[in-house]
Amino acid sequence: GAVVSQHPSRVICKSGTSVKIECRSLDFQATTMFWYRQFPKQSLMLMATSNEGSKATYEQGVEKDKFLINHASLTLSTLTVTSAHPEDSSFYICSARPPDRGGTEAFFGQGTRLTVV
Amino acid sequence: GQNIDQPTEMTATEGAIVQINCTYQTSGFNGLFWYQQHAGEAPTFLSYNVLDGLEEKGRFSSFLSRSKGYSYLLLKELQMKDSASYLCAVQDSNYQLIWGAGTKLIIKP
Repeated sequence: GAVVSQHPSRVICKSGTSVKIECRSLDFQATTMFWYRQFPKQSLMLMATSNEGSKATYEQGVEKDKFLINHASLTLSTLTVTSAHPEDSSFYICSARPPDRGGTEAFFGQGTRLTVV
Repeated sequence: GQNIDQPTEMTATEGAIVQINCTYQTSGFNGLFWYQQHAGEAPTFLSYNVLDGLEEKGRFSSFLSRSKGYSYLLLKELQMKDSASYLCAVQDSNYQLIWGAGTKLIIKP
């Protein structure tokens, strides 16, 4: 099946620094990738939809200047958490689906556990 | 608005059967997914239903009734490794996934 790879799996950073998370589709081209955040004991919350070659679409309440998304190629999307604060500590997950629509499962990266100290 | 409801937590016994329900109200419908998620890990795909009826896949089965906006995931011969959260997600008219909050399933020996 299709594979989505996400790195790093775990990162600890100091408050005020920036962290970049990469999401790669390894065996298919993804014009669209999705970035989710998941707090403990809660479900996935869609943060933004990453579109190859154009600006990302952010969900209501998500600060686009804080969570920078770059989808520079058909296999790579990056999420940069800028000026991280302890409240940004969470589990970040990306997903992508092969181009055919409907009935195609979303493949998830392994997730990134971000801890801001 | 869009809404997906599933129980927060369920407990079952090893070897038994458990049914996890999901009801939904969304703007359009292009299929319903069930995912399994172990703590600290990404979700993994279990099933997809777009037509009414039961889809069986080994110990897991998923049912859909579009007229009732209802689905369930049936897990048979429960094993301890089935302890996880089970997420229901509906694909809306824009092919976006709308996620339920997840059901935490606890399996007891």
